[in-house]
Amino acid sequence: DAKTTQPPSMDCAEGRAANLPCNHSTISGNEYVYWYRQIHSQGPQYIIHGLKNNETNEMASLIITEDRKSSTLILPHATLRDTAVYYCIVRQYGNKLVFGAGTILRVKS
Amino acid sequence: GAGVSQTPSNKVTEKGKYVELRCDPISGHTALYWYRQSLGQGPEFLIYFQGTGAADDSGLPNDRFFAVRPEGSVSTLKIQRTERGDSAVYLCASSLGPYNEQFFGPGTRLTVL
Repeated sequence: DAKTTQPPSMDCAEGRAANLPCNHSTISGNEYVYWYRQIHSQGPQYIIHGLKNNETNEMASLIITEDRKSSTLILPHATLRDTAVYYCIVRQYGNKLVFGAGTILRVKS
Repeated sequence: GAGVSQTPSNKVTEKGKYVELRCDPISGHTALYWYRQSLGQGPEFLIYFQGTGAADDSGLPNDRFFAVRPEGSVSTLKIQRTERGDSAVYLCASSLGPYNEQFFGPGTRLTVL
């Protein structure tokens, strides 16, 4: 599976949009971009995934660049409960998840 | 509805002992995964079951680790002759099928003294 690069940490003000970037320059055509998050002392939680089109659900939006070499996870109105480690994962459908170090997002009031 | 459950939530054992960790997946989920997470790191894949069979066990670190899923639902991860380096949080995840998102349990924190 392709490797991803994420910033180690980010801060966001409560109520503002949180934009978390991810680089995956070696992604191949059949690999999907997945985002999970992990709140302290809990198991990872699925957020969203996409192949090449932008995706939106009740939790977040996923913007994938046209060349698919990078993506951005957007939390439109961050709350304190969104403070977590966010993992960007590139995965072939049906394969295991390969987690990197992720981005620690701190939402501050 | 009920999510993935794991028991025990915490396990403390002594070096050299045998431990079993249990995972109850979401009802109807055919795919089940085990991961291990050391402090400050992301989860690391161990093994994946599709139904009763291990479809990918490439992440098991050595032959002290073994997992079963005899009836295609509950799974047990077994660790023989535990070592201090086995201390970690062991996470289980299940999905409706191999092409669906994975739902994780809360994990079992294993401490080997």
